Amino acid sequence: IAGITQAPTSQILAAGRRMTLRCTQDMRHNAMYWYRQDLGLGLRLIHYSNTAGTTGKGEVPDGYSVSRANTDDFPLTLASAVPSQTSVYFCASSEGYGFGPQHFGDGTRLSIL
Amino acid sequence: SQQGEEDPQALSIQEGENATMNCSYKTSINNLQWYRQNSGRGLVHLILIRSNEREKHSGRLRVTLDTSKKSSSLLITASRAADTASYFCATDAFSNYQLIWGAGTKLIIKP
Repeated sequence: IAGITQAPTSQILAAGRRMTLRCTQDMRHNAMYWYRQDLGLGLRLIHYSNTAGTTGKGEVPDGYSVSRANTDDFPLTLASAVPSQTSVYFCASSEGYGFGPQHFGDGTRLSIL
Repeated sequence: SQQGEEDPQALSIQEGENATMNCSYKTSINNLQWYRQNSGRGLVHLILIRSNEREKHSGRLRVTLDTSKKSSSLLITASRAADTASYFCATDAFSNYQLIWGAGTKLIIKP
């Protein structure tokens, strides 16, 4: 089934550890996004990529990094996790950047202790 | 910063009734989108309405957009138990194309 696959589905992590959240899409979409979703708040954009080889910062990029080596993969790395990064992380994609519907994975639930 | 704000935060209705959710935003937009999120799942796109459109339909969904009031509404007619979910609006500002999301309306359909 076409869509977005995120891994892991959940993770408990000690503060200070490095963690990479994986995201793969099979729709050949140009644009990809990473959001975090916290209770009572809407989704907040962390980083995005217009197309393979380019990335940009969203609303809350601090403490996170991304890469886009190819069209399909868009990993999100927490270099040194802190408790405030406890959240649900969603990867999304769209055909083009900035317009049209976004397609979402089912998220990674991350707890930083 | 949140561009969109949904109202109400939570809504509980009987199956078969209509559900109306509202979204207000602050700056001029290119388009406004509505998404549904079932518990523990990712968001699913429902409908997109452009700034020059006033109303759009998709099945049991009806979306209106009033750019003068910077508001939109999502109407779900003849609600079903499967409509139980959280509903989010998202807008993209002319200044950049990043979607900005409201905090959502949690809809519960009682059988």
